[in-house]
Amino acid sequence: EAGVAQSPRYKIIEKRQSVAFWCNPISGHATLYWYQQILGQGPKLLIQFQNNGVVDDSQLPKDRFSAERLKGVDSTLKIQPAKLEDSAVYLCASSPGLAYQETQYFGPGTRLLVL
Amino acid sequence: AQSVTQLGSHVSVSEGALVLLRCNYSSSVPPYLFWYVQYPNQGLQLLLKYTSAATLVKGINGFEAEFKKSETSFHLTKPSAHMSDAAEYFCAVSDPVSAVRGKLIFGQGTELSVKP
Repeated sequence: EAGVAQSPRYKIIEKRQSVAFWCNPISGHATLYWYQQILGQGPKLLIQFQNNGVVDDSQLPKDRFSAERLKGVDSTLKIQPAKLEDSAVYLCASSPGLAYQETQYFGPGTRLLVL
Repeated sequence: AQSVTQLGSHVSVSEGALVLLRCNYSSSVPPYLFWYVQYPNQGLQLLLKYTSAATLVKGINGFEAEFKKSETSFHLTKPSAHMSDAAEYFCAVSDPVSAVRGKLIFGQGTELSVKP
């Protein structure tokens, strides 16, 4: 079974530029998550989708971050414009359903450096 | 709000020694608890999870964790460390009374080093 795929793996941009990340979840998984992991910290949930609907985006900085999950499969996360503090690893995860005890399966992440 | 604390950002053990990584949660309602491992430049992988079926949970790679309600703890242990265990370990909670199902709150992580 293929895992969660993410691209690109690495990205370096200047501040105020825009960037987009792509995620392809495990086939059949209804729930998709985007996390931000700043160096030395645990992952922080940015947005959670159930199929193509948003379940929680309370911690997404909506003035600069946006995400979509068209057709309930792939997802993209965009930052526009980027700030220095956005330097982090962006992890995508998926799970079969939406239970409290559901296991989440993580992709390898996209490492973003904003200069 | 639910939170999780991992004591010790870095733990170093010798190969063959006991591994003990500490995790405490803050909630009056016992949450679901998870331990994930992250190897360099990789995503997180589930080691084990507590879902109230049994207080002692066995996971992959010889790891286990015990849920102690009285201590609000879910410490991770392994009897004998191996060099391949060197990685970052994260404890996470899912609050069963949260309005958002499936939302995980992670601790800050503990980096485990294993000396030969």
